[in-house]
Amino acid sequence: SQTIHQWPATLVQPVGSPLSLECTVEGTSNPNLYWYRQAAGRGLQLLFYSVGIGQISSEVPQNLSASRPQDRQFILSSKKLLLSDSGFYLCAWSRDTTDTQYFGPGTRLTVL
Amino acid sequence: AQSVTQLGSHVSVSEGALVLLRCNYSSSVPPYLFWYVQYPNQGLQLLLKYTSAATLVKGINGFEAEFKKSETSFHLTKPSAHMSDAAEYFCAVSDKSNYQLIWGAGTKLIIKP
Repeated sequence: SQTIHQWPATLVQPVGSPLSLECTVEGTSNPNLYWYRQAAGRGLQLLFYSVGIGQISSEVPQNLSASRPQDRQFILSSKKLLLSDSGFYLCAWSRDTTDTQYFGPGTRLTVL
Repeated sequence: AQSVTQLGSHVSVSEGALVLLRCNYSSSVPPYLFWYVQYPNQGLQLLLKYTSAATLVKGINGFEAEFKKSETSFHLTKPSAHMSDAAEYFCAVSDKSNYQLIWGAGTKLIIKP
C-alpha cells in the first residue's frame, strides 16, 4: 500500500530564516505531487504541483519554491520566511492530475 | 474552468440529527467529484468519490453524497450525526482544462451534544 510522509510535524522559525519541508511517498512510482497551504481560517491553497522529476508548476507567486529531486520526494523551500508564510502545509500525491489526492499528515509552520 | 461553492462556512447540528453539507459546482459536468474530511491538525482524508458509475455514492463513516446534474450539486449527508463527525469538510471537483482538483472553501461541522 501507499504511504505519504511529511516532516517535520511542527516548526517554529524566525522571520528571515530559511525553510525546508520534505515530503516522500512510498509504494508507488511516478506520482503527481502537490504542496498546499492552509492559513488560519482559510481553505486549501495549491502552491505547487509536479508531474515528474524536475517538473514543477507554480500556482501562486510567493517567496516559496519547490523541487523534486527524486521520483517520490517533494521539497518545499524558502530562502527568507515572512510572517505571512505561517500556516499548515500539506503534501499530497495522486496517480492522475484529476483523480483522488492522498494527503500527508501536514506540517504546522509558525513564523515569529 | 470549474468552480466549487460550499454553502456555509460553519454548520451546526445536534447529535443524532441529519447532517447536510452543500456543494455546488459550475455547469460543465466534471469527470470526478470528491468529499474530503479534515480533523484538527491532520491531513485530509477521502470520504467518497463520484466517478459517474452511480449517482448515489456511499463513503466511509456513514456518509453519502448524491450527484444531481440538473442542480449541479453534490451534497453530503449522514442520517445521524455523531460527536466524532466534528471536523472540516471539503468538496472538490476535477478540472480537465487545467488538470487539477478545484477545492471548495470548506465547511466546519459542529456537533452539539
